[in-house]
Amino acid sequence: GIQVEQSPPDLILQEGANSTLRCNFSDSVNNLQWFHQNPWGQLINLFYIPSGTKQNGRLSATTVATERYSLLYISSSQTTDSGVYFCAVGDTDKLIFGTGTRLQVFP
Amino acid sequence: ETGVTQTPRHLVMGMTNKKSLKCEQHLGHNAMYWYKQSAKKPLELMFVYSLEERVENNSVPSRFSPECPNSSHLFLHLHTLQPEDSALYLCASSQNTQGSGSQETQYFGPGTRLLVL
Repeated sequence: GIQVEQSPPDLILQEGANSTLRCNFSDSVNNLQWFHQNPWGQLINLFYIPSGTKQNGRLSATTVATERYSLLYISSSQTTDSGVYFCAVGDTDKLIFGTGTRLQVFP
Repeated sequence: ETGVTQTPRHLVMGMTNKKSLKCEQHLGHNAMYWYKQSAKKPLELMFVYSLEERVENNSVPSRFSPECPNSSHLFLHLHTLQPEDSALYLCASSQNTQGSGSQETQYFGPGTRLLVL
């Protein structure tokens, strides 16, 4: 099956800093989503982005499907951005999740 | 986020107990999912229901029994669980496009944190 790798596994930032999270996947996919899991366990969908670039406020994402990777950019980070960021890719009828990037933003 | 709700939010049970987790989606979606999230592991898909029919179960042990009575409700019945089943159980829903092999955006509930003693 498809393998999903995320990097870095852990990231510590000071408020205001920018960061880039990466997701590599091992095969062609027709679905790629980024999620944020807050410290209370709630998973929130950030982007549905099987290809191209999207932006939503301080967050943006780019997927280069032909090269099998996606990037999530966080600009001017805030303490509320803390949590775990997951990339998930679509394989027929299911999503396969990566192991996540744990982000901690300190004031 | 109130589109997908889950009850209870926390559950402690003994290995001989029987309990059920409930999920309800208010988004008009046609597919619902159960995921298990254990410490230090990626989310694992347990069950997928599309149009109320199970399409995926990923070889989950029979001590987990799903039920989908309609497109808005999903249950996970638990019996004779083991301590290693302690985890966060997440429900999700999506609107899937028939025949495309593709899923649309998944929306997650807040989860049920389960502890098996």
